[in-house]
Amino acid sequence: DVKVTQSSRYLVKRTGEKVFLECVQDMDHENMFWYRQDPGLGLRLIYFSYDVKMKEKGDIPEGYSVSREKKERFSLILESASTNQTSMYLCASQTGGNEKLFFGSGTQLSVL
Amino acid sequence: EDQVTQSPEALRLQEGESSSLNCSYTVSGLRGLFWYRQDPGKGPEFLFTLYSAGEEKEKERLKATLTKKESFLHITAPKPEDSATYLCAVLPHSGAGSYQLTFGKGTKLSVIP
Repeated sequence: DVKVTQSSRYLVKRTGEKVFLECVQDMDHENMFWYRQDPGLGLRLIYFSYDVKMKEKGDIPEGYSVSREKKERFSLILESASTNQTSMYLCASQTGGNEKLFFGSGTQLSVL
Repeated sequence: EDQVTQSPEALRLQEGESSSLNCSYTVSGLRGLFWYRQDPGKGPEFLFTLYSAGEEKEKERLKATLTKKESFLHITAPKPEDSATYLCAVLPHSGAGSYQLTFGKGTKLSVIP
């Protein structure tokens, strides 16, 4: 089975801190994604990557950056965390453009 | 702009009471429609992909159907373990390199014993 692993299940950070969320997939998938999920707003795409060192902005990239130095790893970076970034963050991977997404278990981030 | 609307927002069923969830979509050419199940505090889990109108897929008590404007997830004789939030997402035909799914907000299903 495909496994998408997110490094932390819960994180609590202070306003202004730099935050790294890590995601690793074990199936050699080309595409990787970062979403955030908020009650009443659903899943919203932050960034995605279709190749190593390649990245594309999603619908809500402001306040975030990403890094993909290796094919299996996709990192989401909050340069200066703010309270409105408190959310559930979900990483996903995909083998190709038509295919289903495989999601990780999510990281519940609280910014105080 | 691509849009996905799921209804109802929440649905409460007695065990064994069959029903359907709706996913209406507006998209500039459909490449695929996806159904996911999400349990509280977990990531979405893939259920089905539908690619063209008239297509149907089944898995245990779930059956997904697709028309040109909407998809239905039919739940036959549900059990309490079917309780979850069900998400619908569409993948449009766009320029090369576009992989963006648009998700609906989900239907929260509760099945009461």
